[in-house]
Amino acid sequence: GAVVSQHPSRVICKSGTSVKIECRSLDFQATTMFWYRQFPKQSLMLMATSNEGSKATYEQGVEKDKFLINHASLTLSTLTVTSAHPEDSSFYICSASIISGNTIYFGEGSWLTVV
Amino acid sequence: AQTVTQSQPEMSVQEAETVTLSCTYDTSESDYYLFWYKQPPSRQMILVIRQEAYKQQNATENRFSVNFQKAAKSFSLKISDSQLGDAAMYFCAYRNPYNNNDMRFGAGTRLTVKP
Repeated sequence: GAVVSQHPSRVICKSGTSVKIECRSLDFQATTMFWYRQFPKQSLMLMATSNEGSKATYEQGVEKDKFLINHASLTLSTLTVTSAHPEDSSFYICSASIISGNTIYFGEGSWLTVV
Repeated sequence: AQTVTQSQPEMSVQEAETVTLSCTYDTSESDYYLFWYKQPPSRQMILVIRQEAYKQQNATENRFSVNFQKAAKSFSLKISDSQLGDAAMYFCAYRNPYNNNDMRFGAGTRLTVKP
């Protein structure tokens, strides 16, 4: 199956700093990548959808200036949490789609802790 | 907006027995995709099975099968011969192929397998 790699798996950062999470499709070209946030014991919440070469589409309630998403190539999307606060601590998961309507493959997820 | 409902927060099954997880969804579309994902303690999202709405035949993957009732908008997952490794959170998901942003997850069902 298709492989999506997410890095780092765990990161701790100080409040007020920025942190970047990478999502790579290793063996396919991903025209679309998705970023989710998962709170403890809850489902996945879609944050934004990124298409290669264009601006990300954010879900309602997600601050685009705080969660910067870049999809510079067909194999890489990045999520940058700017001016991080403790309430941004969470599990972030990316996923990628090969062709519209096909299966979405998930990265391993990244634990972010803001202290 | 499309919604996905999983009415069973927790389910339990005896090893080697069969268990069915429920999922209903709401949509006005006639063409879409449905998925079951498994999330073990590692948090890695693993695709279990997928179903295209235009296919009448229920999808099957080894011990996993679905009961897709399009008119009732129901998509249940049956796990046969349950194994200890099946213990995980299971998420039902809906995807609209005509809208890349539209990938919705249910709240999840935590499955426990008793030895």
